[in-house]
Amino acid sequence: AQSVSQHNHHVILSEAASLELGCNYSYGGTVNLFWYVQYPGQHLQLLLKYFSGDPLVKGIKGFEAEFIKSKFSFNLRKPSVQWSDTAEYFCAVISNQAGTALIFGKGTTLSVSS
Amino acid sequence: DGGITQSPKYLFRKEGQNVTLSCEQNLNHDAMYWYRQDPGQGLRLIYYSQIVNDFQKGDIAEGYSVSREKKESFPLTVTSAQKNPTAFYLCASSISPANTGELFFGEGSRLTVL
Repeated sequence: AQSVSQHNHHVILSEAASLELGCNYSYGGTVNLFWYVQYPGQHLQLLLKYFSGDPLVKGIKGFEAEFIKSKFSFNLRKPSVQWSDTAEYFCAVISNQAGTALIFGKGTTLSVSS
Repeated sequence: DGGITQSPKYLFRKEGQNVTLSCEQNLNHDAMYWYRQDPGQGLRLIYYSQIVNDFQKGDIAEGYSVSREKKESFPLTVTSAQKNPTAFYLCASSISPANTGELFFGEGSRLTVL
């Protein structure tokens, strides 16, 4: 079955620490990949996306993600986190087949202490 | 402002009652979606619609029903057949089915069954 796996359920970091959140998917074929973020009390919003081209994509607020096709991975990174990055992060995947919709991972809660 | 409006924000229901959650968008998007969000489960797809008068089941459609009579509206009915309806429900839309990876979300409706 097609699925999206996020390896870390809850990550706790101090400000200025580096962040890497893992995401793996089991889809075959061509995929589009996304990271969404949900800040406390706010609605889900797009952080970054990969459709094609350069496998290293940059998003808002200094986040980036690298698509490694051979590893079916799309890990999210940030060199130095801030307290305001405290949120829940969701990896999501959609295949290029017709009649499908975005499938999300279970999410990773990031807590950043100041 | 353009966006997605979900109502009500909070809803309480007695067991055995059907309840309908409203989702309206003024973004002129073709595709609309309903997801359910539970702690530790991420977002799971209930139903989606790519065009008016057409919709498809997602991964957890049992106990739910939808309609898409107008482009801007995609109401979700949680029926008494849904065994565990207490959850946070998110509606989303995308510009077109071909761009279904980039979703715009509403603020959600929290349903509690008493």
